[in-house]
Amino acid sequence: EAQVTQNPRYLITVTGKKLTVTCSQNMNHEYMSWYRQDPGLGLRQIYYSMNVEVTDKGDVPEGYKVSRKEKRNFPLILESPSPNQTSLYFCASSLSHPRQDEQYFGPGTRLTVT
Amino acid sequence: AQKITQTQPGMFVQEKEAVTLDCTYDTSDPSYGLFWYKQPSSGEMIFLIYQGSYDQQNATEGRYSLNFQKARKSANLVISASQLGDSAMYFCAMREGSGGYQKVTFGIGTKLQVIP
Repeated sequence: EAQVTQNPRYLITVTGKKLTVTCSQNMNHEYMSWYRQDPGLGLRQIYYSMNVEVTDKGDVPEGYKVSRKEKRNFPLILESPSPNQTSLYFCASSLSHPRQDEQYFGPGTRLTVT
Repeated sequence: AQKITQTQPGMFVQEKEAVTLDCTYDTSDPSYGLFWYKQPSSGEMIFLIYQGSYDQQNATEGRYSLNFQKARKSANLVISASQLGDSAMYFCAMREGSGGYQKVTFGIGTKLQVIP
């Protein structure tokens, strides 16, 4: 089954404790992206990756890191989480060419930073 | 300026009626794509429809159609014959660029409630 998986689905952590949210897709997609969703703000792109070893900032990259060492995986790293990073996070993937390439979304990770 | 503007925080529609959800966009890139996604209360993001900037005809997918007016920079979603299961948040999104640069911007969403 074609899918994007994220782990963990729910995470409660404390300020400053490094964490990683994993994202994996099995569709051989070149393009992968991370979003955060906050009430009243919609989804905002954090980072995206056009292919292995190619990443770029979205609109809200501060406080986040990503890596793309393999095509299927695109982990999101919070080196020192803060309460303002409490949010619902989505990973998504798609083909890289800009036409007709809907993004397939993971189920989301709800992160709470206390 | 906002890249994607959805001005209707909430909408009500009677079951079986049609409804239009508004979306305007702002870009100077000649190559872009416009998308609509549905997010039910369960939280998943569901792709509905896509319109490319060079597409001559409005996109349609079943009960969904996209009213694309390029000169006005609008990409409204039309849902015909609304069903109770259409109650959800709806997000308009734009993907800009080609080649090595492709950012995606979402609007803040419209909450649609279908009334029996």
